[in-house]
Amino acid sequence: EAGVAQSPRYKIIEKRQSVAFWCNPISGHATLYWYQQILGQGPKLLIQFQNNGVVDDSQLPKDRFSAERLKGVDSTLKIQPAKLEDSAVYLCASSFPSGTGGNFGMNTEAFFGQGTRLTVV
Amino acid sequence: SQQGEEDPQALSIQEGENATMNCSYKTSINNLQWYRQNSGRGLVHLILIRSNEREKHSGRLRVTLDTSKKSSSLLITASRAADTASYFCATNTGGFKTIFGAGTRLFVKA
Repeated sequence: EAGVAQSPRYKIIEKRQSVAFWCNPISGHATLYWYQQILGQGPKLLIQFQNNGVVDDSQLPKDRFSAERLKGVDSTLKIQPAKLEDSAVYLCASSFPSGTGGNFGMNTEAFFGQGTRLTVV
Repeated sequence: SQQGEEDPQALSIQEGENATMNCSYKTSINNLQWYRQNSGRGLVHLILIRSNEREKHSGRLRVTLDTSKKSSSLLITASRAADTASYFCATNTGGFKTIFGAGTRLFVKA
């Protein structure tokens, strides 16, 4: 079974530039997550999709970050303009939802991609 | 905000020894998960334990959950050099979010 695919693996940009990351989840996984992991810290959830709808984006800096999941499959995360503090690894994960009553939390195993390491200089 | 916090932050042991990592959290949870992250790789799911469970095993891994103390522990028995990695607990609070802790960095010396 193919895993979660992310591209690019590495990206170096100057501050105030724009950047976009792409994620292709595991086939059949309705739930897709974007996490930001700063060096030495745990992953921080930026946004969670259920199919093509957003179920949580409370920690997404919406003045500069945006994400979309067209057709409920692939997803892109964009930063515009980038700041130095955006330097991090951006992880995409997907899972098959379970639970009832709209509980789309990670009740089942989540599969992570290799991540995109962003350096803003 | 950080829901889960791992302890210790770093752990160094000899191959063959057992490694124990702890996770404490603040609010009631739906489930708690442990993940491993090798250097330069993505996160790999290890075990999920639900709030009504007290212990789970998977190979050399043993996870316990004490909801009264809001804590969990991950035990790796007979550790190997390949177990060297960062280990994260992640709590799902029954809503839409799963929050990761800062992780425990385990180093197993051959």
